[in-house]
Amino acid sequence: KNQVEQSPQSLIILEGKNCTLQCNYTVSPFSNLRWYKQDTGRGPVSLTIMTFSENTKSNGRYTATLDADTKQSSLHITASQLSDSASYICVVSARTNDMRFGAGTRLTVKP
Amino acid sequence: DAGVIQSPRHEVTEMGQEVTLRCKPISGHNSLFWYRQTMMRGLELLIYFNNNVPIDDSGMPEDRFSAKMPNASFSTLKIQPSEPRDSAVYFCASSFMGRGSNEQFFGPGTRLTVL
Repeated sequence: KNQVEQSPQSLIILEGKNCTLQCNYTVSPFSNLRWYKQDTGRGPVSLTIMTFSENTKSNGRYTATLDADTKQSSLHITASQLSDSASYICVVSARTNDMRFGAGTRLTVKP
Repeated sequence: DAGVIQSPRHEVTEMGQEVTLRCKPISGHNSLFWYRQTMMRGLELLIYFNNNVPIDDSGMPEDRFSAKMPNASFSTLKIQPSEPRDSAVYFCASSFMGRGSNEQFFGPGTRLTVL
C-alpha cells in the first residue's frame, strides 16, 4: 500500500477558479513534505517544502498546508491559470533522500 | 546554469538491445538520483549517489539495470538486455545534500520505448 495517497486523481476547473488538492500520508518518521508540479513532457519542479514545524507555506498563487498530527497536507491554487494545467505530486520524506511519492493529481484548467 | 541535462531525450529500441541513458547533474551538486515514471506506478526512485558513491540501489528492478557515476559531472543508467516492460520515462535529478532543504532538481527525462 502506498504510504502517500493523493486525491482527487484528476480535476477539471475553469480558468480563474480556485482548487485544493489533498495529500494524506502514513510515512514515519517524518522529515519533510514537498509539492511538485510536473508539466507534460517535463521533469517535476518543486513548489514548496515544509518541515514538521511548518503548517503553511506559499509560493505565489500556490499555498501548501501541513497538519503533522493528522498527517495531511493540501495544496491550494488561487485564481487558476491555463498554465496551471499539470500533474501535482506530493512527496514525503522519512529522512534525507528517503522519499515516498504520491501518484499525483492531474489538474486541467479550461478557458 | 543549464540545469540537469539528460540524453537522449527519446530512445526507441528493440527487446534484447542494450540501452544507455546519460545524465549531467548541476555543477556543485553532490547527490544524483535516477527515477523511473510510468502511468501505472508513478515516480519510483531507482538509485541514488552521494559524492559519486551509490548509497541506495534498492529500487533497481533487477540485475538487468546498472548505474554508474564515474565522476561528479556524469552518470549513466544501463539496461541490458532491455524488455518491453522497461518502457517508461527515466528522470535524473541532482541536489546538494547538506544543510538546507536538499531540494532535488529534475532533468527533462528520457522517454524509452522498448518494442
